[in-house]
Amino acid sequence: KAGVTQTPRYLIKTRGQQVTLSCSPISGHRSVSWYQQTPGQGLQFLFEYFSETQRNKGNFPGRFSGRQFSNSRSEMNVSTLELGDSALYLCASSPSPGQKNTGELFFGEGSRLTVL
Amino acid sequence: SQKIEQNSEALNIQEGKTATLTCNYTNYSPAYLQWYRQDPGRGPVFLLLIRENEKEKRKERLKVTFDTTLKQSLFHITASQPADSATYLCAPSDSSASKIIFGSGTRLSIRP
Repeated sequence: KAGVTQTPRYLIKTRGQQVTLSCSPISGHRSVSWYQQTPGQGLQFLFEYFSETQRNKGNFPGRFSGRQFSNSRSEMNVSTLELGDSALYLCASSPSPGQKNTGELFFGEGSRLTVL
Repeated sequence: SQKIEQNSEALNIQEGKTATLTCNYTNYSPAYLQWYRQDPGRGPVFLLLIRENEKEKRKERLKVTFDTTLKQSLFHITASQPADSATYLCAPSDSSASKIIFGSGTRLSIRP
């Protein structure tokens, strides 16, 4: 079974630009969560999607947005990039909610964004 | 607001000893508590999950305890090896598991 795939793995942008990151979850997983990881702040929750609906959102400005498609693939977008947006962006998928789902997350390798 | 604290930023112990990592949470009533391992530049990897009605869970050399009264989980690695060196993250979650928040992690180093 293929794992969570994130693209691109590395990218460099300049301030003011926008970026779109992509995540393909494990086959059959319908929940996708996004996290930002920086050395100073650790893993910060961005948002979670299930069946194309955003169920939860973290404390990030509106420049950070996301969406999920009918095939469960997800994208996140950051507009008007700032230097502080440099981070490792991690996507994680988990099985559908239900009694047997305990929320175990399967992470991708991340997209490392550098803003210059 | 909800808060998760992991005992120390870094922990150094000798190979063969037992490593004990602490996770404390406040303003939470988690249904589950998960532990993950993260190596530099990689995504976290799930290790163990313990439910609120479980006191202890074991998997090979790993043991997790969960005390809902103290609002604390302990993560033990017995017979530690240099390969166990990594950052370990705890993550309490409610039953919906739709917003899983992580602690800041403890960087564990096992010296030969």
